[in-house]
Amino acid sequence: SYELTQPPSVSVSPGQTATITCSGDRLGDKYICWYQQRPGQSPMLVIYQDYKRPSGIPERISGSNSGNTATLTISGTQAMDEADYYCHVWDSTTAVFGGGTKLIVL
Amino acid sequence: QVQLQESGPGLVKPSQTLSLTCTVSGGSISSGDYYWSWIRQPPGKGLEWIGYIYYSGNTYYNPSLKSRVTISVDTSKNQLSLNLNSVTAADTAVYYCARDEGAMIALWGQGTLVTVSS
Repeated sequence: SYELTQPPSVSVSPGQTATITCSGDRLGDKYICWYQQRPGQSPMLVIYQDYKRPSGIPERISGSNSGNTATLTISGTQAMDEADYYCHVWDSTTAVFGGGTKLIVL
Repeated sequence: QVQLQESGPGLVKPSQTLSLTCTVSGGSISSGDYYWSWIRQPPGKGLEWIGYIYYSGNTYYNPSLKSRVTISVDTSKNQLSLNLNSVTAADTAVYYCARDEGAMIALWGQGTLVTVSS
């Protein structure tokens, strides 16, 4: 079965750039999306089809996907960005989530 | 706008069947090219895809749960249902219903916590 690997946690200082990776075999051949989940809330889509932002998601959140790695980048990180982030792809007819990355804003 | 609301027992005994319903409001469950999904999240852990039913009626399940899961739709009630049998403590989780548009879920329910315990 297909697997996606994320680092358990990433730390960043306010105002700096946070980078969260998601790795999988030939991941660049698939469309990836990213979700943000704050404590006690449902996940929220922040990136779809590798780099597209849903309405209401700020431009400082961006995504890319190439080779075996997809990247979620948050520029000018704010305290409100502290959350868990999950990557998600479809592999044939099944959906796969990464294990999640906790973004810690120090 | 379309909203999803999960409902069902918050406590299920081991070996019994977990049954949840997701009510779709503000839109029809039978319209559009959507994958109506169930996803769960054990306390303090990550998201796990359970399965989905396509608007055409086809179902697809997580291979690790396939033998215990049934997802169905009642179009007359505009509801999505999940049955998971032979539950154990490992099935304790927040269960979400969601509308997947093909590798992107823009619509999630608020989730419902189900605890498996005697």
